[in-house]
Amino acid sequence: AQSVTQPDIHITVSEGASLELRCNYSYGATPYLFWYVQSPGQGLQLLLKYFSGDTLVQGIKGFEAEFKRSQSSFNLRKPSVHWSDAAEYFCAVGANDYKLSFGAGTTVTVRA
Amino acid sequence: DADVTQTPRNRITKTGKRIMLECSQTKGHDRMYWYRQDPGLGLRLIYYSFDVKDINKGEISDGYSVSRQAQAKFSLSLESAIPNQTALYFCATSDLKLAGGETQYFGPGTRLLVL
Repeated sequence: AQSVTQPDIHITVSEGASLELRCNYSYGATPYLFWYVQSPGQGLQLLLKYFSGDTLVQGIKGFEAEFKRSQSSFNLRKPSVHWSDAAEYFCAVGANDYKLSFGAGTTVTVRA
Repeated sequence: DADVTQTPRNRITKTGKRIMLECSQTKGHDRMYWYRQDPGLGLRLIYYSFDVKDINKGEISDGYSVSRQAQAKFSLSLESAIPNQTALYFCATSDLKLAGGETQYFGPGTRLLVL
């Protein structure tokens, strides 16, 4: 079965600074990888996804993620954080059975 | 209008009560899912349905049951609610027929408090 680890429970970043959220997965084959964002009091919104092809994936809101098979990682990045990026971020891995396994989430706080 | 809706959005109930959470979708997707979210644990799959006649248990199905009344409707029931079922519950949908069929789209969530 697949699994996901998000090593950072909470990250604080200054507005305008860069952000990187870590995600490591465990799965025997090529995974399907996702990043979702949950703003306070909201549902989950898909930021980006990787299925195949180019390992650098562009998403919404200026986010990108890079799939590194050798490191079993799918880290999320944003060059310049806005106050509205304060949220909880979830990495998820999908397998051929179309079920998703989620990480525990990383909470991002943006300070002025 | 939202593609995936959940009712109610918030609910307080007492231990031992039966409660139903409802999910409706207008996306035309075949697959529907129920998750619960607990702080520090991410989302865990309760049940999933690949079509109206196909219901499957997820990793934490004990104490829950589901009903797929139609392609667009998937309900989650707590037969006898207990306090450790206090959580945020999400419904999601996906469609194998679409490219990237594994992509799941989530409703806004139902916050449940069991006293």
